[in-house]
Amino acid sequence: DTEVTQTPKHLVMGMTNKKSLKCEQHMGHRAMYWYKQKAKKPPELMFVYSYEKLSINESVPSRFSPECPNSSLLNLHLHALQPEDSALYLCASSQDSEGIRFFGPGTRLTVL
Amino acid sequence: AQSVSQHNHHVILSEAASLELGCNYSYGGTVNLFWYVQYPGQHLQLLLKYFSGDPLVKGIKGFEAEFIKSKFSFNLRKPSVQWSDTAEYFCAVTLNTGGFKTIFGAGTRLFVKA
Repeated sequence: DTEVTQTPKHLVMGMTNKKSLKCEQHMGHRAMYWYKQKAKKPPELMFVYSYEKLSINESVPSRFSPECPNSSLLNLHLHALQPEDSALYLCASSQDSEGIRFFGPGTRLTVL
Repeated sequence: AQSVSQHNHHVILSEAASLELGCNYSYGGTVNLFWYVQYPGQHLQLLLKYFSGDPLVKGIKGFEAEFIKSKFSFNLRKPSVQWSDTAEYFCAVTLNTGGFKTIFGAGTRLFVKA
């Protein structure tokens, strides 16, 4: 199974809602990532988990809260988002620190 | 600060034309280099990567890239493009310091006319 899956594919939420994005991989990769991609822009790194511990937080606002329950799962909890947070949120995984081989299809988030 | 520059934001080619997309990075240490492709409506896919060894690397779908250390460059090439190569191409760099930070270039949108 050589893929990263993400749910949901689309999410529309209000600024007062709480929602979560989910990511899963079963390749035994020990690093998992959250990226944010705005239209016509490159992906921007948000968080990296290595061996289920948060290793990189790129100064992301606290309204985004990552969680890594186990080596196969990665969540991104969302609360009190702003309309400018609307974007494609990508999950990725890698075997080690040498670089990302697999990206998920993304969750397209719209904040109203 | 480390950065990745892609010279062309938009490229339009006719089928069978040759392609070269430029990528330069600014970092004095050892790096791992990547090209990713994002086809319309699809997710990011790895085209090819360079870690060490032969600086000319071959990837999927007939793409290749050459690492020129003295020029801090990793240009992507394809001898003859097809309409199906229409996509956005991202160059990326991972700093080989044991960290996990991958930095992406701004991307190049390629449109191939049939």
